Amino acid sequence: GNSVTQMEGPVTLSEEAFLTINCTYTATGYPSLFWYVQYPGEGLQLLLKATKADDKGSNKGFEATYRKETTSFHLEKGSVQVSDSAVYFCALSGGSYIPTFGRGTSLIVHP
Amino acid sequence: DADVTQTPRNRITKTGKRIMLECSQTKGHDRMYWYRQDPGLGLRLIYYSFDVKDINKGEISDGYSVSRQAQAKFSLSLESAIPNQTALYFCAAGGAPNTGELFFGEGSRLTVL
Repeated sequence: GNSVTQMEGPVTLSEEAFLTINCTYTATGYPSLFWYVQYPGEGLQLLLKATKADDKGSNKGFEATYRKETTSFHLEKGSVQVSDSAVYFCALSGGSYIPTFGRGTSLIVHP
Repeated sequence: DADVTQTPRNRITKTGKRIMLECSQTKGHDRMYWYRQDPGLGLRLIYYSFDVKDINKGEISDGYSVSRQAQAKFSLSLESAIPNQTALYFCAAGGAPNTGELFFGEGSRLTVL
């Protein structure tokens, strides 16, 4: 079946540090790929998405590129802020795919 | 107003009790889902529905049942709650073929004593 694997956390960074959260997927065909963010006490909300190979999704300084060759969709941000502290989920969905999520990666950013 | 609303937000109950979690959405999405979130395990799919007449089991459906009363409403029931069903439950809508994006409720925290 389809699956999503993302790096375990927590990831702890100082403010203004560079962030990478790795995500790889297994699926037949080419699903759409997503990053969702969950702030404390809230539900998940869409951060960014890419619907086909080589697409780059971006939002709020975060970026991720859909790499078909490596079946990856790594999340990056050049300079994190304390307000970015949250749990980040990688997911695949779209078309006939049942939405499938990774286990989530907790990000803690210190001042 | 939120696109997806869940009730109750918090519930404490006892082993053996029947519990219903309700979900409604305002955007006319055909597809709706129930997920369970546990620390370190991410989101696991309990049940999903692609339209009013379509109900499907997810990876962890044992001990749960659902009802799709209308396009906008999708309820999750625990017929006889047990302590290991203590978790944060999320309803989501969307995942349509053209976008795949899901819209989540704020979650229902259930504690079974």
